[in-house]
Amino acid sequence: QKEVEQNSGPLSVPEGAIASLNCTYSDRGSQSFFWYRQYSGKSPELIMSIYSNGDKEDGRFTAQLNKASQYVSLLIRDSQPSDSATYLCAVNDDYKLSFGAGTTVTVRA
Amino acid sequence: DGGITQSPKYLFRKEGQNVTLSCEQNLNHDAMYWYRQDPGQGLRLIYYSQIVNDFQKGDIAEGYSVSREKKESFPLTVTSAQKNPTAFYLCASSIQGALRDTQYFGPGTRLTVL
Repeated sequence: QKEVEQNSGPLSVPEGAIASLNCTYSDRGSQSFFWYRQYSGKSPELIMSIYSNGDKEDGRFTAQLNKASQYVSLLIRDSQPSDSATYLCAVNDDYKLSFGAGTTVTVRA
Repeated sequence: DGGITQSPKYLFRKEGQNVTLSCEQNLNHDAMYWYRQDPGQGLRLIYYSQIVNDFQKGDIAEGYSVSREKKESFPLTVTSAQKNPTAFYLCASSIQGALRDTQYFGPGTRLTVL
């Protein structure tokens, strides 16, 4: 199983601030990268996928990929209390996904 | 509505019993997956199937079995050989299981061993 490491949480940010989540992976040949959000007791839901180096923006979320350094990050701008959740980084492992342990984010009002 | 359904939502098992978790999808996806999640941990792959009548072991297949007789269905049996089955079980599917395919998850089944 390929390794996927996420920065340990929990991460606490004030409402309106930027939350920054990081993920590193071991397989230099990985091609597909995904960020999922998981609320407590619920199943993961996709936030964003990214396949090419650089930034990809979707609303308040920005994913950044750097294949040379083998890291992918997620920025959440203007954080809202509804963003309080665990964020899972997933990386393709051949035709499967390997998941990190997740980073729990708490947005305080 | 298209989606993935899992049943039951909660399941209690006695020691030595086999139990089967249901997963059904009406998304017309070829690939289906079973994951296990333990508290504070990421998802670990149990089994996956990219086509009907074919499936492969994931990273933690011991003590589990699956079948894929229909495209829409991918049931998971937790056998008595699985020594620590208490966990949150998640079923997922993707269009073809290709490298860029997104996996979509069902609502999960929470299994507790009594």
